[in-house]
Amino acid sequence: AQSVTQLDSQVPVFEEAPVELRCNYSSSVSVYLFWYVQYPNQGLQLLLKYLSGSTLVESINGFEAEFNKSQTSFHLRKPSVHISDTAEYFCAVSFKTGANNLFFGTGTRLTVIP
Amino acid sequence: DTAVSQTPKYLVTQMGNDKSIKCEQNLGHDTMYWYKQDSKKFLKIMFSYNNKELIINETVPNRFSPKSPDKAHLNLHINSLELGDSAVYFCASSQEVSGELFFGEGSRLTVL
Repeated sequence: AQSVTQLDSQVPVFEEAPVELRCNYSSSVSVYLFWYVQYPNQGLQLLLKYLSGSTLVESINGFEAEFNKSQTSFHLRKPSVHISDTAEYFCAVSFKTGANNLFFGTGTRLTVIP
Repeated sequence: DTAVSQTPKYLVTQMGNDKSIKCEQNLGHDTMYWYKQDSKKFLKIMFSYNNKELIINETVPNRFSPKSPDKAHLNLHINSLELGDSAVYFCASSQEVSGELFFGEGSRLTVL
């Protein structure tokens, strides 16, 4: 069965501290991997993606994620968070089967504490 | 210009009513979607259209009927609304088979 798991529903962290949001997936086929961010009362925005090539991908606002095939993970990290990073973060997987369908994890609420 | 726009943004209605949510994308994408986000923020795909043809139809009550008049529009019509239909409905579009989606801002439906 194909699935996406975000183990942490809520992650509180102090401003300027590092953070890691975990994402694991289960799939019998190759995958594309995404992190989306949802700020309050807004739609989802793409944060970063892994399609192929380098397993470490970065966003423009300091987040990075590493595709680990052996551990079937795509954890999101930031070395120093800001208040403005407070949001809901969704890991998502698209399976390379030709069907253009994105499966989302249950989301992790990141709260940055001043 | 908004890439994916949905209307209305908020919708409050009584049980049993019929309502529609409209979506338009100006990105030139071939594929459009409807997702439902429940009160726990869980996102679940409902429908997907590619060039006006239905390609994904998840387990959704047949009270929900999508309609795509052209590839830039995907509307969602809901008949006989129930309390459990209360949620935020997101429209999205994509072009590449990689599945990268562009989302609208959502339509919050409240059924009383």
